[in-house]
Amino acid sequence: DSGVTQTPKHLITATGQRVTLRCSPRSGDLSVYWYQQSLDQGLQFLIQYYNGEERAKGNILERFSAQQFPDLHSELNLSSLELGDSALYFCASSVALGETQYFGPGTRLLVL
Amino acid sequence: GDSVTQMEGPVTLSEEAFLTINCTYTATGYPSLFWYVQYPGEGLQLLLKATKADDKGSNKGFEATYRKETTSFHLEKGSVQVSDSAVYFCALPSGSGNTPLVFGKGTRLSVIA
Repeated sequence: DSGVTQTPKHLITATGQRVTLRCSPRSGDLSVYWYQQSLDQGLQFLIQYYNGEERAKGNILERFSAQQFPDLHSELNLSSLELGDSALYFCASSVALGETQYFGPGTRLLVL
Repeated sequence: GDSVTQMEGPVTLSEEAFLTINCTYTATGYPSLFWYVQYPGEGLQLLLKATKADDKGSNKGFEATYRKETTSFHLEKGSVQVSDSAVYFCALPSGSGNTPLVFGKGTRLSVIA
């Protein structure tokens, strides 16, 4: 158990819908990262927050957004969902920038 | 940009066989290097890491040495078990002051009894 929690574990929804994925980092970790794992694209970085502020952006679609709250938990919002958004979404956290990242168990999203 | 190349799988081995999964990297400077493992139906777990050249990371019988001369970080285990069946990912920070990880494509290992 890495100490990073993600909810829900599984999510099934329809095209065009909007979902919210939640992540709670390890106690004391200030940085949160979101990654997407799909069969065709592999593991890709989406976005990073550090102490409430956006720090880096990767291959994140405009339909996707995220934020980190004052209690340091983070949410990833996915809207206007498409079939191709079906993937495993991981959250990771680290105590500071440049430190080792620890991953949560992931949220498996299936868009039908 | 920084990148990782790891050997394509799948790799199938008999129990107690020797394992090597190759990983080479391209990076600016000398970043930390990581191996993560994903067991079936689970998330990513940090397996081991090395933070500087010539460092050897080790955990659960797995080892990897940071070789700057060959820009490699190959994963090895002397005697694999069925429970080692998983997907293994080599990774490094993306550089330029940012720390998101860049991953290899993953190598699926199957160990048969």
